[in-house]
Amino acid sequence: AQSVTQLGSHVSVSEGALVLLRCNYSSSVPPYLFWYVQYPNQGLQLLLKYTTGATLVKGINGFEAEFKKSETSFHLTKPSAHMSDAAEYFCAVSRGNQGGKLIFGQGTELSVKP
Amino acid sequence: SQTIHQWPATLVQPVGSPLSLECTVEGTSNPNLYWYRQAAGRGLQLLFYSVGIGQISSEVPQNLSASRPQDRQFILSSKKLLLSDSGFYLCAWSVLDRWNTEAFFGQGTRLTVV
Repeated sequence: AQSVTQLGSHVSVSEGALVLLRCNYSSSVPPYLFWYVQYPNQGLQLLLKYTTGATLVKGINGFEAEFKKSETSFHLTKPSAHMSDAAEYFCAVSRGNQGGKLIFGQGTELSVKP
Repeated sequence: SQTIHQWPATLVQPVGSPLSLECTVEGTSNPNLYWYRQAAGRGLQLLFYSVGIGQISSEVPQNLSASRPQDRQFILSSKKLLLSDSGFYLCAWSVLDRWNTEAFFGQGTRLTVV
């Protein structure tokens, strides 16, 4: 069975500081991993995804994530936080041979202080 | 390009009333379709998915049902709403038969059962 754990339901950073959102997964098959962002009362927007190939994945809005198989992790980072980054972030793993059938973590709410 | 439409955006319904949420996808054929629910302070839970017209799989037992009367139309229904049905409902689609693909989400429906 697959699962996703996001460490920290709330993360607060200052504007300009490093953003680090943690995600660990459990999967019995090679995982396909995703990070989504959700702004209040909106749907989810894909930030980036890892399928195969390069383990450091770059996404939109300056975010990137690194797939570390040995640590079963897929942490999301951004070197310098911007006020507009304040949102909820979800890590997800694909459930196998049906794309879009995702298992989500509980989400991490990111606050950015001026 | 592909787009997904979901309506209504917000809905307040009394306990015991029926429910119908509609989702349509444009710009693609034979998509996988999904209904997710996001309860307050929690992650996303997959409720139903469909790989074709009339083909519905339920992920969790509940008071809701889903139907797919047309290739790109997905409907979430209930005959009698419960207070516990309140939440943010998201429709999503993915490319059929591609298991490493992400899901694309609609803007969601905020349902409040009173």
